[in-house]
Amino acid sequence: AQKVTQAQTEISVVEKEDVTLDCVYETRDTTYYLFWYKQPPSGELVFLIRRNSFDEQNEISGRYSWNFQKSTSSFNFTITASQVVDSAVYFCALSEENTGFQKLVFGTGTRLLVSP
Amino acid sequence: ETGVTQSPTHLIKTRGQQVTLRCSSQSGHNTVSWYQQALGQGPQFIFQYYREEENGRGNFPPRFSGLQFPNYSSELNVNALELDDSALYLCASSTRGSPLHFGNGTRLTVT
Repeated sequence: AQKVTQAQTEISVVEKEDVTLDCVYETRDTTYYLFWYKQPPSGELVFLIRRNSFDEQNEISGRYSWNFQKSTSSFNFTITASQVVDSAVYFCALSEENTGFQKLVFGTGTRLLVSP
Repeated sequence: ETGVTQSPTHLIKTRGQQVTLRCSSQSGHNTVSWYQQALGQGPQFIFQYYREEENGRGNFPPRFSGLQFPNYSSELNVNALELDDSALYLCASSTRGSPLHFGNGTRLTVT
């Protein structure tokens, strides 16, 4: 069975600090996708990144970076020089690709609070 | 490009009633998925529709049902509402192989 664990319930940082959100996943499949979504107070889930299981290259997009390590089943997300606008709940998710449809399994989320 | 829109934004219903939630998919997207997000939890997959057919379902009872229309918009229907159905219901649209794009959700409260 698939499972995503986000052990950090809430993280508080001061603006300009770097912060890393942890994500550990479980799956028996060899082909899968990993995602990060951001959920601001408005409720909408905002897509940030998708990674397939064959691509372990780290990715950087502006202040965001992602570290995918299959050996430890982790897909961690780092925000560099955090800003108040980064305050939100962040979800890591996993989907398998052999079911014929796209079903995301989400973690319980990490609430990030960035104070000025 | 118009994103995913959901209506209504908020809804209050009484236990035992029925409710219909609506979703307009993003332009160019032909697949719609519905998720239930209880307070403090991650979203849980309800079902997915592709070309007006349900092609995947999560662990939800049959009183959760849906429709997809020729214009790819969708409805989620829940019968015999229970208190535990209180949640944020999120609709997402996509094309085959693309990431899901979510709407703002409908907050359902069952009293």
